Parts: sequence; C-alpha cells; structure tokens
Amino acid sequence: GENVEQHPSTLSVQEGDSAVIKCTYSDSASNYFPWYKQELGKRPQLIIDIRSNVGEKKDQRIAVTLNKTAKHFSLHITETQPEDSAVYFCAAARNSGYALNFGKGTSLLVTP
Amino acid sequence: DAEITQSPRHKITETGRQVTLACHQTWNHNNMFWYRQDLGHGLRLIHYSYGVQDTNKGEVSDGYSVSRSNTEDLPLTLESAASSQTSVYFCATEQGREQFFGPGTRLTVL
Repeated sequence: GENVEQHPSTLSVQEGDSAVIKCTYSDSASNYFPWYKQELGKRPQLIIDIRSNVGEKKDQRIAVTLNKTAKHFSLHITETQPEDSAVYFCAAARNSGYALNFGKGTSLLVTP
Repeated sequence: DAEITQSPRHKITETGRQVTLACHQTWNHNNMFWYRQDLGHGLRLIHYSYGVQDTNKGEVSDGYSVSRSNTEDLPLTLESAASSQTSVYFCATEQGREQFFGPGTRLTVL
C-alpha cells in the first residue's frame, strides 16, 4: 500500500519567514495530493491540493510543488503569521474521492 | 446547510464493551471514511465505503467494523473495546473536490 513520509515533525519560524514542509510517497499510481491544516482541538481542513498533471499550484501565501518522478511534494508558506501555527498533514490518494494516506504531520509554530 | 456530524463527541467506556460511533452526512455522497488520530501517528484509515452495501478495510481495521445500509450513515463499531483504541475518531465524506471531516469523537477506553 501507499506510504507517505513527512518532514520535519516540528518546525519553528519567526513571523514573516517562510516555512517548507516536505513529503514523499511510494505508490506511483497516486495522483492526488492534498494538504490539511489542523488547529488544536479542531477537525483537519483542506488548505490546498494538487493533482499529478500539475507541477505547482499557488493560493495567496500558500504554494504546493509536486515532483512525480521523484515522488515528492512540498508545501510552502510565505510571510508566515502567528495564525499559521497548527499541525499540517500531507496526504496521497489515487484520486480526490478515494481514501487518503496521510503523513504523520508537522507541528508549525510561528513566533511573533 | 448540508453537513457531516458525529456522535457522541466524547465517550468513556470500559475494556470489553461494544461501542458504536455514529457518522451522518446530509450531502448524499457515496464516499465515506473513518480515520483515527493518535499523537505520533497522524491520521490512519480504519474503514471506508464507496456506496450502500460497500465496505472496505483500511490500514488499521482490526477490532473495528462498519456497515452501510443507507447513503447518509456509516457507523463505526468497536466489537470489544481495548485500551489501544483510545483515540480521536474522525469521519469524513467527499464534498465537492475535497474530503471533508466531521468534528471528531474522543473515545477513552478504561
């Protein structure tokens, strides 16, 4: 089955700096790669996703890149703000309607 | 508004008891999923269903079962609760292009 590895497990940055979280996956049939943000005590919420026919996608301060050959994808957050502090999860699946295989999460702390 | 709900939100039970966690969605979507979340393990898939009468095992299905008798509900049953099943359980369904999660159920097995 699919195995998703996520690094780092914790990340601390100063407000205004950039944050990068990296994931690798094992199943070459995976075509859908979402990123979820989970605040303390809340449900995971989708923040951005990318499909295998696209190499990069951007939404304001958030961007995701995908290298299908190397089987890795990354989340980039620019100009970080304290409200970006949360746990971020990457995931992989055959398609958007299919069961997700999650990484173990990255706890991001943005200090003022 | 369409939504996904879970009940109960918190439950404490004893080892060996049968427990059922409810998940209900009003989007009329075929795909529904159960995950458990534990520190250091992220979210792990327990069971999932792609439609009525369809159920499939996920990564950590031992000790759990589901049934899908209608589109709206996917109850998760712990046949004989164990302390290792203490966790936060999330139900999810496909909403548009994303998988949308319920609010979660915190289960403690003593």
